[in-house]
Amino acid sequence: DQQVKQNSPSLSVQEGRISILNCDYTNSMFDYFLWYKKYPAEGPTFLISISSIKDKNEDGRFTVFLNKSAKHLSLHIVPSQPGDSAVYFCAASGGSNYKLTFGKGTLLTVNP
Amino acid sequence: NAGVTQTPKFQVLKTGQSMTLQCAQDMNHEYMSWYRQDPGMGLRLIHYSVGAGITDQGEVPNGYNVSRSTTEDFPLRLLSAAPSQTSVYFCASSYSGVTNQPQHFGDGTRLSIL
Repeated sequence: DQQVKQNSPSLSVQEGRISILNCDYTNSMFDYFLWYKKYPAEGPTFLISISSIKDKNEDGRFTVFLNKSAKHLSLHIVPSQPGDSAVYFCAASGGSNYKLTFGKGTLLTVNP
Repeated sequence: NAGVTQTPKFQVLKTGQSMTLQCAQDMNHEYMSWYRQDPGMGLRLIHYSVGAGITDQGEVPNGYNVSRSTTEDFPLRLLSAAPSQTSVYFCASSYSGVTNQPQHFGDGTRLSIL
C-alpha cells in the first residue's frame, strides 16, 4: 500500500514558467513533509519542508503548499530554470522522528 | 568537508556472496540510515541508527544487517546476496532524525547481483 503518491511520473515546462509538482498521502498520522531533489548519479538533496501546523512554506523560488483536508501537497517552482531539471521526491513522516516514507518521484524537465 | 561518503560506488556480486557497503560521515551526526532505490520506486528505508550502539529496522530490513560501533560509520551487510537485492543503495545522516533537520545523502552504491 503506497502511502505517499506522486501520480505524475514526469513533467515538462518551459524555462521561466511555473512548475507544479503534486503529492498525495493516505496516512493521517503524517505530520511533516519534505521535498528532495535528485540529479542522476547523485544522492537526493533536501529542498524544502513543511509541518502540518502550516499550510504554506516559501524559500526563494520554491513554495510548498499543504492541504491537510485533502491530504495533498504541492511544490511550486517559479520561475523554472533548466538547472531545476531533476527527479523530485515527496517524503512524509509521522509518529516517529526516525522514519521517512518516500513517493516514487516526478522527473521534471525544464526546457530552455 | 566530505559529508556522507559511500564506498564502493559500483559492485557486482554473485548470488550467495556476502558484502559490506560502507558509509561514513564527518558531520558528527547521531542519526544515520540506509535506503534502497529500485527502478520506478521511491527510496525505501532498510535500517536506521539513532546513535552508536543503537539500530532499528525500517520498511525493508530482510536480508540486511547493520551495526553502529562509532558515530561516524554505519556499514550495511548483505550476508547472502540475492538477485532481488540488486538496487541503488543510499546512506544518509542528520543531527537527530528526519524532521526539522534534513538528511544529507551520499551519492549511492550501485549493486548488481547475478
